Amino acid sequence: QSVLTQPPSASGTPGQRVTISCSGSSSNIGGYYVSWYQQLPGAAPRLLIYMNNQRPSGVPDRFSGSKSGTSASLAISGLRSEDEADYYCAAWDDSLSGYVVFGGGTKLTVL
Amino acid sequence: QVQLQESGPGLVKPSETLSLTCTVSGGSIGSYYWSWIRQPAGKGLEWIGRIYASGSTNYNPSLKSRLIMSVDTSKNQFSLNLSSMTAADSAVYYCTRGVTTDLDNWGQGILVTVSS
Repeated sequence: QSVLTQPPSASGTPGQRVTISCSGSSSNIGGYYVSWYQQLPGAAPRLLIYMNNQRPSGVPDRFSGSKSGTSASLAISGLRSEDEADYYCAAWDDSLSGYVVFGGGTKLTVL
Repeated sequence: QVQLQESGPGLVKPSETLSLTCTVSGGSIGSYYWSWIRQPAGKGLEWIGRIYASGSTNYNPSLKSRLIMSVDTSKNQFSLNLSSMTAADSAVYYCTRGVTTDLDNWGQGILVTVSS
């Protein structure tokens, strides 16, 4: 059971816009930045979004992030076949002594 | 571009201690936080803990009683020791760089299997 809640799956057709949600609480998303990671099959995760909506260099602007209250979202516009991957959200959680929590991951299928 | 490389045993016996090392190249280990993440086969990501170049640490509460992380700035390496290993600890272990969730550099990962 992950601290952050994501839908297990999402899908879309090429060119579509898809959003993936991430729900938390006041001890994590509600008080801290959210990051998103993309993990292609057999590869290490890659940072996609940090500080809620910032993209590292090299990440296409088709990827965007937002946060409101204790929830966050990742949006992918102009969906491409190479976007088929697992996506994870993450945030700092200040319960106990503080640690990083991840969502359970969302498997994105490009139909 | 900073590169990270995990090293250690691929097989550990139950009840034994796992020791992994991450070697950082292309940049200094100083003034950064370094983390370990693991991923059981077919499952999601789990944050293990982080260590600053000074040696200060934060651990996942669920692993804290079994975990020790250390850093060797002279070798540009940081390490993980996880004791009392069980089958539930079998996973791919990644080393990464980042303060909290801004983990911008990842190693390729090392598969660790716990089995007798």
